[in-house]
Amino acid sequence: KAGVTQTPRYLIKTRGQQVTLSCSPISGHRSVSWYQQTPGQGLQFLFEYFSETQRNKGNFPGRFSGRQFSNSRSEMNVSTLELGDSALYLCASSGFAGGSKTQYFGPGTRLLVL
Amino acid sequence: DQQVKQNSPSLSVQEGRISILNCDYTNSMFDYFLWYKKYPAEGPTFLISISSIKDKNEDGRFTVFLNKSAKHLSLHIVPSQPGDSAVYFCAASDPTNAGKSTFGDGTTLTVKP
Repeated sequence: KAGVTQTPRYLIKTRGQQVTLSCSPISGHRSVSWYQQTPGQGLQFLFEYFSETQRNKGNFPGRFSGRQFSNSRSEMNVSTLELGDSALYLCASSGFAGGSKTQYFGPGTRLLVL
Repeated sequence: DQQVKQNSPSLSVQEGRISILNCDYTNSMFDYFLWYKKYPAEGPTFLISISSIKDKNEDGRFTVFLNKSAKHLSLHIVPSQPGDSAVYFCAASDPTNAGKSTFGDGTTLTVKP
C-alpha cells in the first residue's frame, strides 16, 4: 500500500505570494488532517477534512484554507504569505486497522518565505 | 491545560533491554491513543495505537498498555535497538474534536550499543 504523498517537497516563496500544497492520503482513508510544524511551536493543527467536508479547524487565520476532493486528495492554500509561515507542513491520513485508529503522516512540504 | 503529558524528557537504555515510555492524559473523552517516532526536521512516523476500550495492544517489539482508571499509557519496546533512538510522542484523539490529535511534548530515547 502506498503511503501518504505530499507535493511539492520544498517551496520558496516571497512575502505576499500565495501557495498551494497537495496531499494524497493512503488508499481507502477518507480523513486528511493538516499540521504546521515549527521548531518553536511543535505540531500545530490546521484543519481536518472527511469526505470533502471540513470537520474541524485549528486556531489559524483565514489566510489558511483547504479543501478535499472526491478521491480524498486534499489541498491546502496559504494566501498573502508572511515570514512566520515558514514551516514544515504535514498532512496526515487516518483510518482504522486491527480494531484501532491509524494515522500516517506524509513527508511534508517545507515552505520557506523570504 | 496540557491534556497529554510526557513527563520524562529523556530516557537512556542499553541495547537489548526494555524501553518504557510513559504518557498521562486528562481528557476522559479520548478514544484512541497513538505512539509516534520522530527524527529532527521530519514528520512523525506512526508506530502503534490502542483503543480506549482495550488495555493492551502488541505489534512486534512494540506493546502499548493503557490504564484508563489512572489515565496512563505506556509504550514498551523489547528488545531495544540503537535504531530506536529518536523522539517518541504519544498522541490522543477525541471524537468530539474530529481529526485532531493532541500530542505530548515527547521523550527522547537513546539506546546505547
